[in-house]
Amino acid sequence: DAGVIQSPRHEVTEMGQEVTLRCKPISGHNSLFWYRQTMMRGLELLIYFNNNVPIDDSGMPEDRFSAKMPNASFSTLKIQPSEPRDSAVYFCASRSSFYGYTFGSGTRLTVV
Amino acid sequence: QKEVEQNSGPLSVPEGAIASLNCTYSDRGSQSFFWYRQYSGKSPELIMSIYSNGDKEDGRFTAQLNKASQYVSLLIRDSQPSDSATYLCAVLGAQKLVFGQGTRLTINP
Repeated sequence: DAGVIQSPRHEVTEMGQEVTLRCKPISGHNSLFWYRQTMMRGLELLIYFNNNVPIDDSGMPEDRFSAKMPNASFSTLKIQPSEPRDSAVYFCASRSSFYGYTFGSGTRLTVV
Repeated sequence: QKEVEQNSGPLSVPEGAIASLNCTYSDRGSQSFFWYRQYSGKSPELIMSIYSNGDKEDGRFTAQLNKASQYVSLLIRDSQPSDSATYLCAVLGAQKLVFGQGTRLTINP
């Protein structure tokens, strides 16, 4: 089991550019979560999917953020246009049951 | 009021002592509670889960839950330098896991 796989591990981009973060959940896990972590705000849930369907996107900060899950093995989080305040570590997590969220290694995003 | 609150620390504990980490939550209907450990630059790692009032022990770790007081704690016995990390309390509500800010723990040799 390769775990939750995120790419890229690090991303540095200029303000105004589009950024796409990618996640491959653990096979068989039917829920997928996108979190953002900053020193000031800690770990915040942005959006989550059950069986590829977005259930709750109330944590998405604004319309510049969008997420998709076209199939059970792939999800993207897109920021367009990016801003310096979007700089954070973005984690993807998946789970198969009531128990056990497994986190990916995260993508460290820096917007300059 | 934040949904899950923790003392951000830092908490310093001498090696071999007991480290005590605390967490309170606001949703009285919450049923599942978790402790995650996060080393610097790494992702959160699940170390304990607890669902019923009382204590749950796993090796050097003990989780304690008091639903009436809406309080969860984690005890680490015989603390080791490798326990130095940030500990995140998480509460499951409405299918989503909500995290506290985390407590930074340092074990001093």
